[in-house]
Amino acid sequence: GDSVTQMEGPVTLSEEAFLTINCTYTATGYPSLFWYVQYPGEGLQLLLKATKADDKGSNKGFEATYRKETTSFHLEKGSVQVSDSAVYFCALSESANSKLTFGKGITLSVRP
Amino acid sequence: KAGVTQTPRYLIKTRGQQVTLSCSPISGHRSVSWYQQTPGQGLQFLFEYFSETQRNKGNFPGRFSGRQFSNSRSEMNVSTLELGDSALYLCASSLALPPTGELFFGEGSRLTVL
Repeated sequence: GDSVTQMEGPVTLSEEAFLTINCTYTATGYPSLFWYVQYPGEGLQLLLKATKADDKGSNKGFEATYRKETTSFHLEKGSVQVSDSAVYFCALSESANSKLTFGKGITLSVRP
Repeated sequence: KAGVTQTPRYLIKTRGQQVTLSCSPISGHRSVSWYQQTPGQGLQFLFEYFSETQRNKGNFPGRFSGRQFSNSRSEMNVSTLELGDSALYLCASSLALPPTGELFFGEGSRLTVL
């Protein structure tokens, strides 16, 4: 079945540091890939998505590229802010199916 | 535009009881999905409804059930509660089929089973 593997956390960074959160997946077809973010006390929000190989999703300074050859969708940001502190989830969905398969999530803490 | 609304936000039950959770999707959204979030298992898909029909179901026992009404509001029910059912239950809505995974989540209903 489908699965998503995220790097172990938590991650603590200083403000303006570079961020990389690794995500790899296993899927039977050609899934769409997503990053969701959960800020403290809030519901999950879609951060960015990519629907086919080599697509790059971007939002709020975050980027991730759909790499079919390495089955990866790593999240990056060049300069993190304290307000980026949250839990980040990588997820996939097969075509024509809204069911999301999530990774375990990783907690990011950014200190001033 | 109002977001996804879940009620109640917090509840405490004892083993053997049953619970009903409610979800009001974003206006115009016809698809509603439910997820269970626990520290150990993370986010797991429960079921999805579209136009009052269950389209997809996750690997949960039959004690977990749901339904969707004609106004797209949805409820999920858990009968004969077990300690392991303690979790945050998240509802998500999306506009149409295929929804391409762009789900809009509520803040969740936190269930504690004692």
